Amino acid sequence: KQEVTQIPAALSVPEGENLVLNCSFTDSAIYNLQWFRQDPGKGLTSLLLIQSSQREQTSGRLNASLDKSSGRSTLYIAASQPGDSATYLCAVRPLISDSWGKLQFGAGTQVVVTP
Amino acid sequence: DTGVSQDPRHKITKRGQNVTFRCDPISEHNRLYWYRQTLGQGPEFLTYFQNEAQLEKSRLLSDRFSAERPKGSFSTLEIQRTEQGDSAMYLCASSSGQGSPYGYTFGSGTRLTVV
Repeated sequence: KQEVTQIPAALSVPEGENLVLNCSFTDSAIYNLQWFRQDPGKGLTSLLLIQSSQREQTSGRLNASLDKSSGRSTLYIAASQPGDSATYLCAVRPLISDSWGKLQFGAGTQVVVTP
Repeated sequence: DTGVSQDPRHKITKRGQNVTFRCDPISEHNRLYWYRQTLGQGPEFLTYFQNEAQLEKSRLLSDRFSAERPKGSFSTLEIQRTEQGDSAMYLCASSSGQGSPYGYTFGSGTRLTVV
């Protein structure tokens, strides 16, 4: 059974520092991994999607890496801003066809960027 | 088409009442998913549809829950005889077909409070 873990559960940094968020998963048979942002009381906004054959994806200040063999992904946010304060969730999409519909989520990392 | 729409955004109901939520996916997406998220946790899979066919249901989806997607367009999630444990954020997502390299797009969610 796939388990997704995000460490740390919460993180507070001063504005301008780089953020490093970790995601680990127990089953390497994944189709892709997706990082989401969630503001309090809101839905999920997709940030980056990494296919299983890729090592990293970049969008602006965001960079996500994937090491499928070791079951890890890292989201880097450069030069953090107070507007980056949110909960960040990672989710894996399984490769097994009978589980195709299920994204397996971590519990998220709650980030606070202080001015 | 601006994304996945969910209605209502918030619902407060008394224990024992029935509630129904609606989700309108991105029009060209043939897959639609329902997830439930409780405070401090990642979303948990409930069920998904490919077109109008409901292909999988989680064990979390008790007999009091029913989901439909008539004509393969919008979907409804009904909870009968609500209980306080049903209080959660209900999220809808949609995606393209099985071979698509693209990820999921989530709606803003419906927050249910059972009093």
